[in-house]
Amino acid sequence: GESVGLHLPTLSVQEGDNSIINCAYSNSASDYFIWYKQESGKGPQFIIDIRSNMDKRQGQRVTVLLNKTVKHLSLQIAATQPGDSAVYFCAENGGQNFVFGPGTRLSVLP
Amino acid sequence: DTEVTQTPKHLVMGMTNKKSLKCEQHMGHRAMYWYKQKAKKPPELMFVYSYEKLSINESVPSRFSPECPNSSLLNLHLHALQPEDSALYLCASSPLDVPQRSGELFFGEGSRLTVL
Repeated sequence: GESVGLHLPTLSVQEGDNSIINCAYSNSASDYFIWYKQESGKGPQFIIDIRSNMDKRQGQRVTVLLNKTVKHLSLQIAATQPGDSAVYFCAENGGQNFVFGPGTRLSVLP
Repeated sequence: DTEVTQTPKHLVMGMTNKKSLKCEQHMGHRAMYWYKQKAKKPPELMFVYSYEKLSINESVPSRFSPECPNSSLLNLHLHALQPEDSALYLCASSPLDVPQRSGELFFGEGSRLTVL
């Protein structure tokens, strides 16, 4: 399940299940979006991107969905593995710089 | 080569010290960035360089001084920092497909700074 509070929102999923991480963005002019994975002590790692002329893009085991009407972005991870445990950030770009969402910690249970 | 290299990985400094963080990329990217990240928080933009010129300064205190000697290098000079400046400092780069627009943003592994 997902919990939100004073701490980083956490999503706990069983190994092998699919994960869905959500992100609400704020700028209706944003036209480029990236999902990043950040493991402890490391820099953010690019996972997948999408431009506003698309509503879905697929990579290896990951899919990003974009709903511009409600300014919502989601990252779907298929067959979640222990190595997927990390903090996931969405980032939006409506000009020259990226603005990051608050992040979601994904915890994969054995 | 899709690497952004940052040095040092860890830095401990006193409030009167002067130190520098360094960043290097060889992807031909013409935009380079400094971000600051506190624990359990997203990266926050500090500075953007486009074509080696400072294009964005997000109201960062003058004790942080960026420098872009050439298109591959980005430095962050640190002087008279405060303990609350302790954080992970991330460098990133991106191509500039169209002037003033950025593409994919690649990050380095960061420099973990502790100010005593």
